[in-house]
Amino acid sequence: NAGVTQTPKFQVLKTGQSMTLQCAQDMNHNSMYWYRQDPGMGLRLIYYSASEGTTDKGEVPNGYNVSRLNKREFSLRLESAAPSQTSVYFCASRPREREVHGQYFGPGTRLTVT
Amino acid sequence: AQSVTQLDSHVSVSEGTPVLLRCNYSSSYSPSLFWYVQHPNKGLQLLLKYTSAATLVKGINGFEAEFKKSETSFHLTKPSAHMSDAAEYFCVVSDPKVTFGTGTKLQVIP
Repeated sequence: NAGVTQTPKFQVLKTGQSMTLQCAQDMNHNSMYWYRQDPGMGLRLIYYSASEGTTDKGEVPNGYNVSRLNKREFSLRLESAAPSQTSVYFCASRPREREVHGQYFGPGTRLTVT
Repeated sequence: AQSVTQLDSHVSVSEGTPVLLRCNYSSSYSPSLFWYVQHPNKGLQLLLKYTSAATLVKGINGFEAEFKKSETSFHLTKPSAHMSDAAEYFCVVSDPKVTFGTGTKLQVIP
């Protein structure tokens, strides 16, 4: 049971390049999330998927797109990377979109855009 | 709208002394509350959670938190700090939308 896995762990992009961050969970969770973490700002929600086949915007969705490929996988795409997207990205999952459930986090992807 | 305020961005304690990390929240509903810990260059790990059962919640590694509805607080405590407790701690409210506090960095001095 690997929990939540993310690839890659590190990435450097030039401004304007595109890339996809991959996330997978093997806990049969319905809800999945993408966050970015910046110093002094905690974690901010980019997009989430309450269940397979649905996605919704979070607090900071601009410049990102997501795909809930199946119940296990939830990918985050940067179409045209900008230096402001330099951050650490975390994927998370939880059993259902209910308040009592805590989230399980992946190890993160450290992205630098030059 | 819900919100979470972690009152201290940095806390420094000596090894073996008590730890207090403060968190206040606001929510229109009866939320669940969580504390997560993040060690340097690692992901977040769930420490403990409050989900409307007992107001004093015990978590891993000797941490506990008390839910006080009248004060809208959920402070995290530990009787005796260990060097391995040095990390960043996040208070989170879920109703069910999840909102993170901005984090408190705990330094433990030997």
